[in-house]
Amino acid sequence: DQQVKQNSPSLSVQEGRISILNCDYTNSMFDYFLWYKKYPAEGPTFLISISSIKDKNEDGRFTVFLNKSAKHLSLHIVPSQPGDSAVYFCAAGRTYKYIFGTGTRLKVLA
Amino acid sequence: NAGVTQTPKFQVLKTGQSMTLQCAQDMNHNSMYWYRQDPGMGLRLIYYSASEGTTDKGEVPNGYNVSRLNKREFSLRLESAAPSQTSVYFCASSESGGAGTEAFFGQGTRLTVV
Repeated sequence: DQQVKQNSPSLSVQEGRISILNCDYTNSMFDYFLWYKKYPAEGPTFLISISSIKDKNEDGRFTVFLNKSAKHLSLHIVPSQPGDSAVYFCAAGRTYKYIFGTGTRLKVLA
Repeated sequence: NAGVTQTPKFQVLKTGQSMTLQCAQDMNHNSMYWYRQDPGMGLRLIYYSASEGTTDKGEVPNGYNVSRLNKREFSLRLESAAPSQTSVYFCASSESGGAGTEAFFGQGTRLTVV
């Protein structure tokens, strides 16, 4: 059973517009959520995280929203840039053991 | 500033062969991890080491062993490789395993078992 789901395998967005990537989870015991970005032939790189006691965290163009009642989080990228084209993974868990989603491939069109 | 270094980057094994994937980090991190990534599966934790001298199983430990050689190095061993272990393997490290601590990943090892 997948505890962390990213139901959209891919997403295309025009440069300058907002990109919204979604993630759903099933385990209410998760207390931290992270987003990673991955380019081809590279390892994932950390983007942003949020604690379960918060509902929003912002870092520059990246904002993560957490809706605990719906067990849903989303990553907003505004404005989207061609360099943002990558695979985005959400991860959820507690100490050490994070469960990753299957990823969403974002393509930002120039 | 190398970060997390994995060797080798590519490897082809025959079924039943053994090999060790090497990982070293130069950030003085306490915690280290091994993940595998398969198409449509995301990253799955194989083993982790919370600190030097300790190791614990992750989601998919069967068929693997690990050694935390020292604070810098964490190796993953396949004793008898199987085609199901064909995957991309990532090593990662973090300052601690504390909630929300970001992990730094290596570039990955692409392993094919034939």
